[in-house]
Amino acid sequence: EVQLVESGGGLIQPGGSLRLSCVASGFIVSSNYMSWVRQAPGKGLEWVSVLYSSGTTHYADSVKGRFTISRDNSKNTLYLQMNSLRAEDTAVYYCARVLVGTTYDAFDIWGQGTMVTVSS
Amino acid sequence: DIQMTQSPSSLSASIGDRVTITCRASQSITTFLNWYQQKPGKAPNLLIYAASSLQSGVPSRFSGSGSGTDFTLTITNLQPEDFATYFCQQSYRARTFGRGTKVEIK
Repeated sequence: EVQLVESGGGLIQPGGSLRLSCVASGFIVSSNYMSWVRQAPGKGLEWVSVLYSSGTTHYADSVKGRFTISRDNSKNTLYLQMNSLRAEDTAVYYCARVLVGTTYDAFDIWGQGTMVTVSS
Repeated sequence: DIQMTQSPSSLSASIGDRVTITCRASQSITTFLNWYQQKPGKAPNLLIYAASSLQSGVPSRFSGSGSGTDFTLTITNLQPEDFATYFCQQSYRARTFGRGTKVEIK
């Protein structure tokens, strides 16, 4: 079965760090584009970061310089290292696989999400 | 940044109705437009990609159209399980979502 399972969320103080993990099964992370998307409580969806199969990364302006996306091929796992956390980073964080073609790029597989709460 | 304006923000409909949701991009995104359905407490689910391609396993009552800046998601013969929030998303440059349309029972 193709699935993604996130972990690592929790309550963290402003300025702190947290690393989220996303374990994939049924497909190979390193052969796919992978992304993180977040959703603040009661709000819409916000794309956070993408890691291409080539290793190239991109970030939303709101997290650039603070968050780092990476993967461990041996564990078939995607990560999001979050530093200098702010209250506005409070959200459910989803990892997602990107379905890619010459005329499309869409999130076709999503994890169940992990909640990150930044508060003192 | 490309902004996505989705309308309406909410609507009420009855079982069997035809529902239309629109999404407008702040610049041309050709057909790099996707639609998702999200139910409370759940992850989003991909419905339509490339503006009009139906994702595998999605019922045929869902359809998408448009190109350039204006796009539409149509649900025909609305079913009880379709009451949810729908988001559009562009992937032409970076990735941005619309603010969502909540479809409620009338």
